[in-house]
Amino acid sequence: GQQLNQSPQSMFIQEGEDVSMNCTSSSIFNTWLWYKQDPGEGPVLLIALYKAGELTSNGRLTAQFGITRKDSFLNISASIPSDVGIYFCAGQTYNTDKLIFGTGTRLQVFP
Amino acid sequence: KAGVTQTPRYLIKTRGQQVTLSCSPISGHRSVSWYQQTPGQGLQFLFEYFSETQRNKGNFPGRFSGRQFSNSRSEMNVSTLELGDSALYLCASSVAGGYGYTFGSGTRLTVV
Repeated sequence: GQQLNQSPQSMFIQEGEDVSMNCTSSSIFNTWLWYKQDPGEGPVLLIALYKAGELTSNGRLTAQFGITRKDSFLNISASIPSDVGIYFCAGQTYNTDKLIFGTGTRLQVFP
Repeated sequence: KAGVTQTPRYLIKTRGQQVTLSCSPISGHRSVSWYQQTPGQGLQFLFEYFSETQRNKGNFPGRFSGRQFSNSRSEMNVSTLELGDSALYLCASSVAGGYGYTFGSGTRLTVV
């Protein structure tokens, strides 16, 4: 099945550090979404981006919709232990309601 | 406001059997999508329903089917189960599709 390229695959960082992850696609998307998934739970929407070049923040999280519409990145500032989990990007086009997900970034935060 | 409810949470089935999973969307949400999550393939789109009609379908065999009822609740069915069908099946609902999907906690299906 189709998946977006997401990097890095995993990150091990110390509490307080900033984190950056990105997602790239060979296709153009009209919407980029970032989700976080905790073990045994479904993904939870963190940030939604609807316009090329858009930069949106949600607390310590900041995400940008790439100008080419083929990429997006997510930054987490001053990480805390509860940031631990798997982060997924997802792209969506206008003519379909299906989300194409990235391969995921597993984040571990050490105190 | 209740979230997306999926039942059951866990299920163990034998190869060749069939299974039905249920999803109750957030009240007022008319779009329901289903995804399969496996370690190897990640999150893959199965299908999406809106007002009892299937609007989109992913690349899964015909053994995977679904339906939506007039109250927007949805079910998905997998017939003739194979070992590779073992996965976390996630349901997501949205007011009208397009954006703002809220996921349920999923049903963990194990085929033995």
